[in-house]
Amino acid sequence: DTEVTQTPKHLVMGMTNKKSLKCEQHMGHRAMYWYKQKAKKPPELMFVYSYEKLSINESVPSRFSPECPNSSLLNLHLHALQPEDSALYLCASSQALAGNYEQYFGPGTRLTVT
Amino acid sequence: AQKITQTQPGMFVQEKEAVTLDCTYDTSDPSYGLFWYKQPSSGEMIFLIYQGSYDQQNATEGRYSLNFQKARKSANLVISASQLGDSAMYFCAMSYISNTGNQFYFGTGTSLTVIP
Repeated sequence: DTEVTQTPKHLVMGMTNKKSLKCEQHMGHRAMYWYKQKAKKPPELMFVYSYEKLSINESVPSRFSPECPNSSLLNLHLHALQPEDSALYLCASSQALAGNYEQYFGPGTRLTVT
Repeated sequence: AQKITQTQPGMFVQEKEAVTLDCTYDTSDPSYGLFWYKQPSSGEMIFLIYQGSYDQQNATEGRYSLNFQKARKSANLVISASQLGDSAMYFCAMSYISNTGNQFYFGTGTSLTVIP
């Protein structure tokens, strides 16, 4: 099973709302990733977790807060977002952080900030 | 510095024909991986094929093959017998090991349209 699931599929939120995106994988992967993707652009890396510890934070604003409660779950907490944060948010996982392993992506959450 | 280059923003191919999507990369690291992903309009990034820097043979997966020319630092994707369902955005990506772990870089993508 090479499936990464993400919920919700679509999310519309106001600038004062607090919401969370959820990602789950059951492949035993120890590295998990959050990406942000604008239309017709490549994904931009936001955060990387390795063995449930934050390994990489690509200078993402603090209104995005990641959390890895266990090896299968990855959350992205959203608070006080701006309209320019509207994008497709992709979660991915790979076998490990060290090594040239393929990343498996979820279907994404399309976020609209109003 | 840009590490992955895809020079074809858009490509058209007739159904049942073969098409080559170009990708060049730049790294001084001897150990790296090259990947191709397909992204339909639905948004999901679908892993297609992988080539390791030490692999002697070109990777193949069904109708997909990777034309790996290490000296030229190119990793072109060849799709044979194109189908209408192949219409999508295609991203070339490279992974290499940095001091913070495995870094993944994506090219800017090529939009492929298969014409019936």
